Amino acid sequence: DQQVKQNSPSLSVQEGRISILNCDYTNSMFDYFLWYKKYPAEGPTFLISISSIKDKNEDGRFTVFLNKSAKHLSLHIVPSQPGDSAVYFCAASALNYGQNFVFGPGTRLSVLP
Amino acid sequence: KAGVTQTPRYLIKTRGQQVTLSCSPISGHRSVSWYQQTPGQGLQFLFEYFSETQRNKGNFPGRFSGRQFSNSRSEMNVSTLELGDSALYLCASSPGSVSGNTIYFGEGSWLTVV
Repeated sequence: DQQVKQNSPSLSVQEGRISILNCDYTNSMFDYFLWYKKYPAEGPTFLISISSIKDKNEDGRFTVFLNKSAKHLSLHIVPSQPGDSAVYFCAASALNYGQNFVFGPGTRLSVLP
Repeated sequence: KAGVTQTPRYLIKTRGQQVTLSCSPISGHRSVSWYQQTPGQGLQFLFEYFSETQRNKGNFPGRFSGRQFSNSRSEMNVSTLELGDSALYLCASSPGSVSGNTIYFGEGSWLTVV
């Protein structure tokens, strides 16, 4: 049973527009969430995090929103750039899980020039 | 500051052999965790080491093992390799608090079992 879901396998967005990547989770114990992007043949690169005590966190062009009641988080990228084309993973962990993060299956973002 | 370093980057092994992968964490990071990425199963947690002790373990068979040294460097070993062990093995490091830590990944070791 997938505890972390990313229901859109792929997403295409025009350069300069907003990209919104979604992630849903089922385990109510999850309290810390991470987003990564991954290029082929490279390790995942950390983008942004959010803890369950917040509902929003911003870092430059990246903003993550957390809706705990809906068990839903989203990553907004504004403005989208061609270099943002990659696979994006959300990951979740819980207190006392240590570094045991549960990853979603990923969403492939294509930013079209 | 240097990132997480994994060696070797690519390797090919024969079914039944064993393999050892190495990971050097970011300086000052005391926790090292290992993940397996396959096309079918995605990124899955193998285990985490902190202060030379295994702190968490995922749902992998006992053929998968690891250890951590006093300088926080870590190794993972897979014995009696199976074709299904072909995957990207990723090491990640973090400062090591029990929770609320971001983990930073290395480039990974690509293992092909033939």
